[in-house]
Amino acid sequence: AQTVTQSQPEMSVQEAETVTLSCTYDTSESDYYLFWYKQPPSRQMILVIRQEAYKQQNATENRFSVNFQKAAKSFSLKISDSQLGDAAMYFCALGAGNMLTFGGGTRLMVKP
Amino acid sequence: GAGVSQSPRYKVAKRGQDVALRCDPISGHVSLFWYQQALGQGPEFLTYFQNEAQLDKSGLPSDRFFAERPEGSVSTLKIQRTQQEDSAVYLCASSLATGRSTDTQYFGPGTRLTVL
Repeated sequence: AQTVTQSQPEMSVQEAETVTLSCTYDTSESDYYLFWYKQPPSRQMILVIRQEAYKQQNATENRFSVNFQKAAKSFSLKISDSQLGDAAMYFCALGAGNMLTFGGGTRLMVKP
Repeated sequence: GAGVSQSPRYKVAKRGQDVALRCDPISGHVSLFWYQQALGQGPEFLTYFQNEAQLDKSGLPSDRFFAERPEGSVSTLKIQRTQQEDSAVYLCASSLATGRSTDTQYFGPGTRLTVL
């Protein structure tokens, strides 16, 4: 069984500043991937970034980067130069076997 | 091409009614997934298809829930004798290949089901 925990129900950031969202997970699988999804009020889950567990190098996608600490089973998301359009629910997810296991989400608010 | 589409976007049912939720995956995607997202929570896995074969239905909460994908493309999630606890957003996702953890899943906008 897999578990994903997001300990921050809400986070707030000033526009143009940097914010980090936390995620920890647990799995007995050796082959797995980690994902961050964004869910705006429209409900459409949008992939933000993904990380292969076998890779040590942290994934980066433009303003989004992750800090993957495999031994600690930690997978945090850093958003740089935050924009108003970044405001949404963010879900951390673990892909193992044929399903995704999601955390409870973090609501990110961006202040102008 | 078009993304994953779902219909209806909203469904209100009286307790005890049957409902059917439709998912059109991205064309050519082999794998299709259904998730249930309760208010304020993350999605939870319901079931998985590879083409027309339902390979995992371990997340279906009861035998009132039934899913099918008869021709390996469109899928329908059916809920019989709906109960109030079935109220949730039902998300469909598809992925290009065989649904291994390496494949990115692309989500539809979901169907919000409200059972009165």
